[in-house]
Amino acid sequence: GDSVTQMEGPVTLSEEAFLTINCTYTATGYPSLFWYVQYPGEGLQLLLKATKADDKGSNKGFEATYRKETTSFHLEKGSVQVSDSAVYFCALKTSYDKVIFGPGTSLSVIP
Amino acid sequence: GAGVSQSPSNKVTEKGKDVELRCDPISGHTALYWYRQSLGQGLEFLIYFQGNSAPDKSGLPSDRFSAERTGGSVSTLTIQRTQQEDSAVYLCASSPGLAVSSYEQYFGPGTRLTVT
Repeated sequence: GDSVTQMEGPVTLSEEAFLTINCTYTATGYPSLFWYVQYPGEGLQLLLKATKADDKGSNKGFEATYRKETTSFHLEKGSVQVSDSAVYFCALKTSYDKVIFGPGTSLSVIP
Repeated sequence: GAGVSQSPSNKVTEKGKDVELRCDPISGHTALYWYRQSLGQGLEFLIYFQGNSAPDKSGLPSDRFSAERTGGSVSTLTIQRTQQEDSAVYLCASSPGLAVSSYEQYFGPGTRLTVT
């Protein structure tokens, strides 16, 4: 069945460090891929998305590229800030609209 | 415009009681999802409605859980004979649907359920 796997957290980084959160997926057909973020005390919100192979989603300095050959959608940011501390969820959406989430990766950025 | 709303925001109930959780999706969104998020855990898919199609109930953990969606809009998630392991935040999300996979989901603030 369809599934999403992402690296286990928690991840702790110093401010201005480089961030990578790995995400791989298993799906039939051609899913769309998403990263959602949940800041402390807030609801889930979309961070970025990519709808077809080789698309790059970007927002707030974060990027992720839809790699069909490796079934991956890794999240990266060149220089993290304390305000990036949150839980990050990778998700896929199938062509029939079912959405599967990964387990989430908690990120803490320390000054 | 108005986002997804959920009520109540918090619910404390005694073990064995039934509870109903409500979700009001964004107007015009045909897809509606329920998820459960336990403390420190990811999102567990529960059920998905798309228009007038039969819902995908594959994520419901037991027959104590049920959900309905009236008139293609408001949805109610019902948990019968609640157990302590049902304690979690229940999240609702809606999406424009129309079987276009590029549309993202819009999440409500969640209902925090505590079973004592």
